[in-house]
Amino acid sequence: EDQVTQSPEALRLQEGESSSLNCSYTVSGLRGLFWYRQDPGKGPEFLFTLYSAGEEKEKERLKATLTKKESFLHITAPKPEDSATYLCAVFSGSARQLTFGSGTQLTVLP
Amino acid sequence: DAGVIQSPRHEVTEMGQEVTLRCKPISGHNSLFWYRQTMMRGLELLIYFNNNVPIDDSGMPEDRFSAKMPNASFSTLKIQPSEPRDSAVYFCASSPHTSGGYNEQFFGPGTRLTVL
Repeated sequence: EDQVTQSPEALRLQEGESSSLNCSYTVSGLRGLFWYRQDPGKGPEFLFTLYSAGEEKEKERLKATLTKKESFLHITAPKPEDSATYLCAVFSGSARQLTFGSGTQLTVLP
Repeated sequence: DAGVIQSPRHEVTEMGQEVTLRCKPISGHNSLFWYRQTMMRGLELLIYFNNNVPIDDSGMPEDRFSAKMPNASFSTLKIQPSEPRDSAVYFCASSPHTSGGYNEQFFGPGTRLTVL
């Protein structure tokens, strides 16, 4: 059974204070790792897909990286509008469906 | 593009009543997914369809839950009879691909269901 663990559960940052969110996974045959952003009262919004170890993707202040055991979402100089819950999900060849982690709730204070 | 549309946005019902949640996927998308989100269990896949055909319903918790997709632009998730433990936010998502979630999914705003 695929397992995804995200840490920390919650993170409070000052505006401009860079940090990283962690997503560790245990799957049989990783096909892809996904990052989504979820704002309160809304559905998740797609950010990135990573397919193989060593891959990196960037979007504005966000950068996602992938190793064989975990993924990091790096946030550089965050702004209050980056406040949201960030969800990690994996797609494996065995489960053949997305398995989501419980998320990291990020709060960026002005 | 209107995105994925779900209705109702909020539903409050009493235990034992039938509940029907509705979803209109993005036009042209070939896959549709129903998820349930709770504080305890997070986001869980219930069922997904490719080209209107149910592919994997292993996440449907009990026979009280059923889902249909009569055409490419409409799907329903029905709970009969409803129970308090069914209280959650139910999301519908669609994707232009038929790969079981391997590609980007577009989520709707969700239906918050409360069963008293």
